[in-house]
Amino acid sequence: QQQVKQSPQSLIVQKGGISIINCAYENTAFDYFPWYQQFPGKGPALLIAIRPDVSEKKEGRFTISFNKSAKQFSLHIMDSQPGDSATYFCAARRSGGYNKLIFGAGTRLAVHP
Amino acid sequence: NAGVTQTPKFQVLKTGQSMTLQCAQDMNHNSMYWYRQDPGMGLRLIYYSASEGTTDKGEVPNGYNVSRLNKREFSLRLESAAPSQTSVYFCASSEGSGYTFGSGTRLTVV
Repeated sequence: QQQVKQSPQSLIVQKGGISIINCAYENTAFDYFPWYQQFPGKGPALLIAIRPDVSEKKEGRFTISFNKSAKQFSLHIMDSQPGDSATYFCAARRSGGYNKLIFGAGTRLAVHP
Repeated sequence: NAGVTQTPKFQVLKTGQSMTLQCAQDMNHNSMYWYRQDPGMGLRLIYYSASEGTTDKGEVPNGYNVSRLNKREFSLRLESAAPSQTSVYFCASSEGSGYTFGSGTRLTVV
């Protein structure tokens, strides 16, 4: 039972384009939604996160859009660069749950020059 | 500034063998976690430790045991390895919301 569904599985974008990765969740008791970036051979690293009382958060070229009523959130990477090529994971934390994260299946992003 | 250190980085086991994956953090974090990463399945929580002296099961605990040796160290033990445990294992720690992950242990069980 996958509580956080992520799409697409893989994504190819041209340099300078916009990369969009989507996640949907089923549990309304989630209170924190981070995105992690993972390069080959490395552990995931926190990229950006949002709480459900905010509809959008922007940090540089990375933006999270959050739709509470639809139980969906997405990561937008503006002006995508080859250095952004990595696997991206969305996650959600159940409130009152000892900061345990439930991860999506991941999206492998390739940005072509 | 090491962060989260995992050893070993690679391991090949035969079915039925046992081993312990080591994890240590130097950030004075209270919470520590073990996840496994499999293609198409993301990261799944095996066990976690909310604080020193406590451990609890995650989503996929069967076949594993853990020990929170002290605040810094959280080990994962496979008592009798099975091919289904072939995976990449990540340890993480947190104080507050964000996780810091180690670089992983790639385990193959043949």
